[in-house]
Amino acid sequence: KQEVTQIPAALSVPEGENLVLNCSFTDSAIYNLQWFRQDPGKGLTSLLLIQSSQREQTSGRLNASLDKSSGRSTLYIAASQPGDSATYLCAALNSGYSTLTFGKGTMLLVSP
Amino acid sequence: GAGVSQTPSNKVTEKGKYVELRCDPISGHTALYWYRQSLGQGPEFLIYFQGTGAADDSGLPNDRFFAVRPEGSVSTLKIQRTERGDSAVYLCASSPVSVGEQFFGPGTRLTVL
Repeated sequence: KQEVTQIPAALSVPEGENLVLNCSFTDSAIYNLQWFRQDPGKGLTSLLLIQSSQREQTSGRLNASLDKSSGRSTLYIAASQPGDSATYLCAALNSGYSTLTFGKGTMLLVSP
Repeated sequence: GAGVSQTPSNKVTEKGKYVELRCDPISGHTALYWYRQSLGQGPEFLIYFQGTGAADDSGLPNDRFFAVRPEGSVSTLKIQRTERGDSAVYLCASSPVSVGEQFFGPGTRLTVL
């Protein structure tokens, strides 16, 4: 059974810092990995999706990498802003299945 | 275009009552998913539809939970004899293909008193 772990559980940084959020998964037979953002009391917003054949994806100040062999993905946020404050979730889609297994998320607070 | 919508946004009910939660997926998306999110946790899979049929319902916790998607678009999650432990946010997602990017709705917050 796939298990997804996110470290750290919470992170507080001053505005302008570059930061890295970590995601690890136990079963490397994944089809893709998706990063989401969740604001308090809201649904999930898809940020980046990395196919298993890809190493990374970029969107604006966000860069996500994937290393299937080690069971790890990272989300890099450049030049953080207060508006980046939210919970970030990663989720793995296992090969042969169509459902996502989520981590518990990293709660990010960026202070002005 | 319009995203995934869910109604109601909030539902408060009493223990033992029946509730229905509705999901309108993105137009043309054949795959539809229901997840449940408890406080401080990531979403957990409940059921997945491909078209009108439930392709995987292994995440439904017990037989009080049931979901339908009769015309391959709108889906309804039905919970009978609600219990306080059913309190959570119920999220719906849709995808153009079964292994594609999933797009989530805003969720329905269910509170069972």
